[in-house]
Amino acid sequence: GDSVTQMEGPVTLSEEAFLTINCTYTATGYPSLFWYVQYPGEGLQLLLKATKADDKGSNKGFEATYRKETTSFHLEKGSVQVSDSAVYFCALNTNAGKSTFGDGTTLTVKP
Amino acid sequence: DGGITQSPKYLFRKEGQNVTLSCEQNLNHDAMYWYRQDPGQGLRLIYYSQIVNDFQKGDIAEGYSVSREKKESFPLTVTSAQKNPTAFYLCASSIGRGVQETQYFGPGTRLLVL
Repeated sequence: GDSVTQMEGPVTLSEEAFLTINCTYTATGYPSLFWYVQYPGEGLQLLLKATKADDKGSNKGFEATYRKETTSFHLEKGSVQVSDSAVYFCALNTNAGKSTFGDGTTLTVKP
Repeated sequence: DGGITQSPKYLFRKEGQNVTLSCEQNLNHDAMYWYRQDPGQGLRLIYYSQIVNDFQKGDIAEGYSVSREKKESFPLTVTSAQKNPTAFYLCASSIGRGVQETQYFGPGTRLLVL
């Protein structure tokens, strides 16, 4: 079946550091890929998405590129802020119509 | 201002009691979902509905029930058969189908057992 594997956390960085959170997937066909962010005590917010190979999703300084050859969708940000502290979820959709989520990666940014 | 609302934010359940979590959306989305999130874990699908008056079981439906009488509303009942209900419950609705589908989430309800 479909699956999403995320880099295990927690990840702790200093403010202004470079962020990478790895995400790889297994799916039949050509899925769409997503990153969601969850702040403490809140629901998930869509951060960015990509619907086909080589697409780059971007939002709020975060970027991720859909790499079909490596089945990956790694999240990056050049300079993190304390306000980026949250849990980040990678997810996919296929034409079968069911979403698959990773287990989440907790990011803590220290001043 | 369109969005998804969930109420209450916190809910307490006594032994043997059924409780209902509310989820309402004004985004005109056809599909709606309920997920359970346990501490430090990902999301597990409880039930989903692609259209009014129709719904399907997800991966962990036992001890839960739903209804979909209106497009905007998808309430979840946690029954007394659910022996470990303490969790964070997330409702979502979506636009598009298959690879074009994007889900949007409500703020969540935290259920605690007294």
